[in-house]
Amino acid sequence: DTGVSQDPRHKITKRGQNVTFRCDPISEHNRLYWYRQTLGQGPEFLTYFQNEAQLEKSRLLSDRFSAERPKGSFSTLEIQRTEQGDSAMYLCASSLAREPGNTIYFGEGSWLTVV
Amino acid sequence: AQTVTQSQPEMSVQEAETVTLSCTYDTSESNYYLFWYKQPPSRQMILVIRQEAYKQQNATENRFSVNFQKAAKSFSLKISDSQLGDTAMYFCAFMRFWDSNYQLIWGAGTKLIIKP
Repeated sequence: DTGVSQDPRHKITKRGQNVTFRCDPISEHNRLYWYRQTLGQGPEFLTYFQNEAQLEKSRLLSDRFSAERPKGSFSTLEIQRTEQGDSAMYLCASSLAREPGNTIYFGEGSWLTVV
Repeated sequence: AQTVTQSQPEMSVQEAETVTLSCTYDTSESNYYLFWYKQPPSRQMILVIRQEAYKQQNATENRFSVNFQKAAKSFSLKISDSQLGDTAMYFCAFMRFWDSNYQLIWGAGTKLIIKP
């Protein structure tokens, strides 16, 4: 068990550029989540997948955001035409969906700074 | 809608002391889960302890224990014999029992500093 890994850990980009983050969940976990967290705040839910199906998207996820999990394993989160308000840490998490309340394991996050 | 409130933005205690972090929540559900997560500086979020609302017994994990008061909708975390490594942001979170999306609703967090 290598845990949830995210790449890159830090990204600085100019406003208007596109960025993509990758998440590799724990291998047997079928649920994968994306959250956004700003300094001093708790995480905000963005979207989640069960296997390759994206089952829910938050209203926070504007049309500039898209997430995929093509083979039910790793996932990518792309932000198009970045804005300064997108600066945040993007957290990926995974869990095994056998029962509610199962532990959700988090990655170390990907910090995005839009300048 | 469910909400989670952590009223202490920041706390600091001396090493080896006991500290209690407070969390209250609002829900009309009778069955749910409550969690405390720890996020050390520049490190990942990890689960500290969880509590099922239908269990009357308070959860404990080594030096960490909770005081779950269902009627008062209170879920405080007690850290005994605090250690320097306990320095972190602590988040309280709520999950509805019947939520097929397994969504966590988070408090704003408490920054805990353990002083040597």
